[in-house]
Amino acid sequence: NAGVTQTPKFRILKIGQSMTLQCTQDMNHNYMYWYRQDPGMGLKLIYYSVGAGITDKGEVPNGYNVSRSTTEDFPLRLELAAPSQTSVYFCASSYLREANEKLFFGSGTQLSVL
Amino acid sequence: AQKITQTQPGMFVQEKEAVTLDCTYDTSDPSYGLFWYKQPSSGEMIFLIYQGSYDQQNATEGRYSLNFQKARKSANLVISASQLGDSAMYFCAMREGRRFTREGGSYIPTFGRGTSLIVHP
Repeated sequence: NAGVTQTPKFRILKIGQSMTLQCTQDMNHNYMYWYRQDPGMGLKLIYYSVGAGITDKGEVPNGYNVSRSTTEDFPLRLELAAPSQTSVYFCASSYLREANEKLFFGSGTQLSVL
Repeated sequence: AQKITQTQPGMFVQEKEAVTLDCTYDTSDPSYGLFWYKQPSSGEMIFLIYQGSYDQQNATEGRYSLNFQKARKSANLVISASQLGDSAMYFCAMREGRRFTREGGSYIPTFGRGTSLIVHP
């Protein structure tokens, strides 16, 4: 069981470039999330999705876009990369049958924008 | 305002000793869940323990227990008999609400800033 698969693990971008972070889960989870982690700041929610075709902004959505065409996939698009987007990105998923459903995380993507 | 507050940026503990990591939360929702996650230096996020707002007893999972004080809005993680492998970042998180609502981010986990724990031999 692969769980949440996130690619790539590392990436260096130049200012103004674009890229897509891929996220796939094989647990049939309805909720999927993108977080970014900056040193000393914990995890901040970028976007989330409650099911295929439904996405919503989180706390820090500017500079990012998402789509959810299938239950399994939730890619995060960075347009016109900026140094402020240097961070570690985590994709996560959960299935909210009960409130105690924990998040399953991908292994993270370390992104540097230079 | 911060919904989850972890006031200890760093903690040190001797191997085999117990340690408490603090977490306070802010919510007006009567139904919520509290989680603790561990992030070792390798970077992955590992679920440790869950406490529901209506749970009568403190949650326990092996060497981890959650000291839940509802009136004080605190959910401290207690690690007993610390091991060198416990050295990591620890994050407290909260999910509010029982019913799914699309608006307002209800049911979406909010994380604290984390506490770095170092276990000394």
